Amino acid sequence: DAGVIQSPRHEVTEMGQEVTLRCKPISGHDYLFWYRQTMMRGLELLIYFNNNVPIDDSGMPEDRFSAKMPNASFSTLKIQPSEPRDSAVYFCASSLTSGRRYEQYFGPGTRLTVT
Amino acid sequence: LAKTTQPISMDSYEGQEVNITCSHNNIATNDYITWYQQFPSQGPRFIIQGYKTKVTNEVASLFIPADRKSSTLSLPRVSLSDTAVYYCLVGDSNQGGKLIFGQGTELSVKP
Repeated sequence: DAGVIQSPRHEVTEMGQEVTLRCKPISGHDYLFWYRQTMMRGLELLIYFNNNVPIDDSGMPEDRFSAKMPNASFSTLKIQPSEPRDSAVYFCASSLTSGRRYEQYFGPGTRLTVT
Repeated sequence: LAKTTQPISMDSYEGQEVNITCSHNNIATNDYITWYQQFPSQGPRFIIQGYKTKVTNEVASLFIPADRKSSTLSLPRVSLSDTAVYYCLVGDSNQGGKLIFGQGTELSVKP
């Protein structure tokens, strides 16, 4: 298995531009998670899906952030408009979960820089 | 907000046993405790998971007391390649079971 695939690996954009991050989870996994990692705040859960349905989006910072999962093999995290404080590494993870037993497999991350 | 708390950093030498403790006072009742390892420029990697008492796999052991308000990751006989950041992950009952990562423990293994 190729593992969780994220694209792009690096993204540099200017403030105000729209940014779309992409994730392909491991085939057969029924949970998908989006995280953000910064030095100041560490690893933060932004949103997670179960069977393509958003379950908890309480970690999404504000309305500029949105996430979708149109099918079991693809998810996007969109930031519009982007701001310099959005600069971070964004990770996608997937898991095959029973109850609250999450063994998550993380992708390599997308390093976002907003200038 | 309740937090999961870990030591910021630890130093060790090759061949020693390393124990990293995470405090999670508000762990959700049904949640498992999971530990991850992260190397620079990589995503976190699953190490071990448990609900109570002791769990052991080929790379680590996890000790969880009866009240489940803390957990200890034990790495036997560390090597230089174990130098990484280690995170605990639990659900916080005060936040509706939201998954919360600890701030991470940076382990440095010296020869």
